[in-house]
Amino acid sequence: IQLTQSPSSLSASVGDRVTITCRASQVIYTYLAWYQQEPGKAPKLLIYGESILQTGVPSRFSGSGSGTDFTLTISSLQPEDFATYYCQQVHSYPYTFGQGTKLEI
Amino acid sequence: QVQLQQWGAGLLKPSETLSLTCGVSGGSLTDYFWNWVRQPPGKGLEWIGEINHGGRATYNPSLESRVTISVDMSKDQISLNLRSVSAADTAMYYCARGRRFSRVDHWGPGTLVIVSS
Repeated sequence: IQLTQSPSSLSASVGDRVTITCRASQVIYTYLAWYQQEPGKAPKLLIYGESILQTGVPSRFSGSGSGTDFTLTISSLQPEDFATYYCQQVHSYPYTFGQGTKLEI
Repeated sequence: QVQLQQWGAGLLKPSETLSLTCGVSGGSLTDYFWNWVRQPPGKGLEWIGEINHGGRATYNPSLESRVTISVDMSKDQISLNLRSVSAADTAMYYCARGRRFSRVDHWGPGTLVIVSS
């Protein structure tokens, strides 16, 4: 299953609302997870399933979608949010990731 | 809180075998699936495979002919072997804890493996 994220990169400012899209090549219901990766660090789980926020993740992060189209929204960007974001489908093997969206200041 | 440590050779020659180990502390291996994910420098994430505590492994077909993931319950360790490496296998390799068909919720720090003659 191929995942296509858009945009590939995004420039925004602190306080902005941003949305990242992930489109699957076939229906994956809600078998999708979102990760944040800061430079030089391992990815960190943000959201999974039907927009379930991982423990400890700020509420400004939210996810939505089902079927083939999904979105990750950050309601008010904070300085620590500038990173690369990946979606991952966990509907069927092999699990696959989107190509990433780099969020820049 | 579960912690994952990783170790293994970081510099290999083409055709050698990549061997990495992931040690789990602060949590049980049971009830989870243990994943390996890699990331070439400057590129995206690639899922390599996963294994459960019973030793049932599933691999990415793109690597299946060269990869073996194993688990040692007595040592709380998961291992990755990738045979016949080439420069294309140069990447940061991550061990990570997951739940099947759900998410990967804890990641190791990563091990950079460089393949160069």
